[in-house]
Amino acid sequence: AQSVTQPDIHITVSEGASLELRCNYSYGATPYLFWYVQSPGQGLQLLLKYFSGDTLVQGIKGFEAEFKRSQSSFNLRKPSVHWSDAAEYFCAVGAGTYKYIFGTGTRLKVLA
Amino acid sequence: DGGITQSPKYLFRKEGQNVTLSCEQNLNHDAMYWYRQDPGQGLRLIYYSQIVNDFQKGDIAEGYSVSREKKESFPLTVTSAQKNPTAFYLCASSIESVRQPQHFGDGTRLSIL
Repeated sequence: AQSVTQPDIHITVSEGASLELRCNYSYGATPYLFWYVQSPGQGLQLLLKYFSGDTLVQGIKGFEAEFKRSQSSFNLRKPSVHWSDAAEYFCAVGAGTYKYIFGTGTRLKVLA
Repeated sequence: DGGITQSPKYLFRKEGQNVTLSCEQNLNHDAMYWYRQDPGQGLRLIYYSQIVNDFQKGDIAEGYSVSREKKESFPLTVTSAQKNPTAFYLCASSIESVRQPQHFGDGTRLSIL
């Protein structure tokens, strides 16, 4: 079955520390992968996407993600977290023709 | 600027009442989607539409209905059959296929009076 797993429900990091948010997917064909960020009471904003080519993808706000086919993973990273990065992060895979499957999200808290 | 507009931002429903959530986009996207978001459950697909006058049920369509009479508009009706409608509802759109990301509106929060 097609699925996306984000194993960490909550993550807390100190401002300036590095960040890695995990995402594992289950999908038979070539995956189209996305990371989104959501601030409270807002919609989702695209951070980055991957569908072919270089497995290290750069996004907005200093985020990057690495696609590892052998591990079925697409982890999101940032070298130095800012207080404004506190939000909820969703990993998603494009499945089939028009359907997207989302993980349950990881809520990031940033300590000053 | 192009984007997706959802209205209202907050909505209250009485018992036995149907309510309609509006979603309008000016991105010229063919596909539109409705998701329900509950704490800890991510986004669950209610309905989606690939073209005008056509739409498909998602994973949790029971108690909801939609229409797609115009490319720009994809309203969602929460019917009285939906016994637990309290949630955050997100509308999204996308170009052609899942190789492209979705664009999201800012959501409507529906509560029961």
